[in-house]
Amino acid sequence: SQQGEEDPQALSIQEGENATMNCSYKTSINNLQWYRQNSGRGLVHLILIRSNEREKHSGRLRVTLDTSKKSSSLLITASRAADTASYFCATAPTSGYSTLTFGKGTMLLVSP
Amino acid sequence: DSGVTQTPKHLITATGQRVTLRCSPRSGDLSVYWYQQSLDQGLQFLIQYYNGEERAKGNILERFSAQQFPDLHSELNLSSLELGDSALYFCASSVGSGSLVTQYFGPGTRLTVL
Repeated sequence: SQQGEEDPQALSIQEGENATMNCSYKTSINNLQWYRQNSGRGLVHLILIRSNEREKHSGRLRVTLDTSKKSSSLLITASRAADTASYFCATAPTSGYSTLTFGKGTMLLVSP
Repeated sequence: DSGVTQTPKHLITATGQRVTLRCSPRSGDLSVYWYQQSLDQGLQFLIQYYNGEERAKGNILERFSAQQFPDLHSELNLSSLELGDSALYFCASSVGSGSLVTQYFGPGTRLTVL
């Protein structure tokens, strides 16, 4: 069953704009990760945020985590056409295992 | 390129048949994970192996089985295939098996069951 629910399901923006995607989850987590998937291809790990962290940056990516609300957001600043992809959040359990539970993803379309 | 390889890229077969999907992890990675991605179920974790032993099990059907060999490559066997088994099957690998590891995904095998 899905743990995370991304919102929105689809997002269409122009190059240069910022894109924000949200993820909500149901159970306690050890960490939350964001992945990108280009159409029909493998997933690429973007960033990991631990449950005791509130914000993390990596290049044009900014991730926030609010464990009290069981939610996370991914912000991509100054979007490029190459950012067009599906973005998934995935949660790792508190058990210490590395198995991930993925949400259904947000499809991002960045138009030139 | 993640360094994880999967074969074959595409597989078309009929209901009732059995297929084997193969995965070679990145050099040095001991953990292998299998995921199924379909339109209705999304991306679902199936099973994880660590250094040859089963470490965790997810929503894997009894018709499906997997193993990890001494050279660390892994195979996912799907039998008595049904139309609903049509999906993308991904393999991922990581160095360890703790919750903070990064998983590196292969390009996937697209299975079509007719």
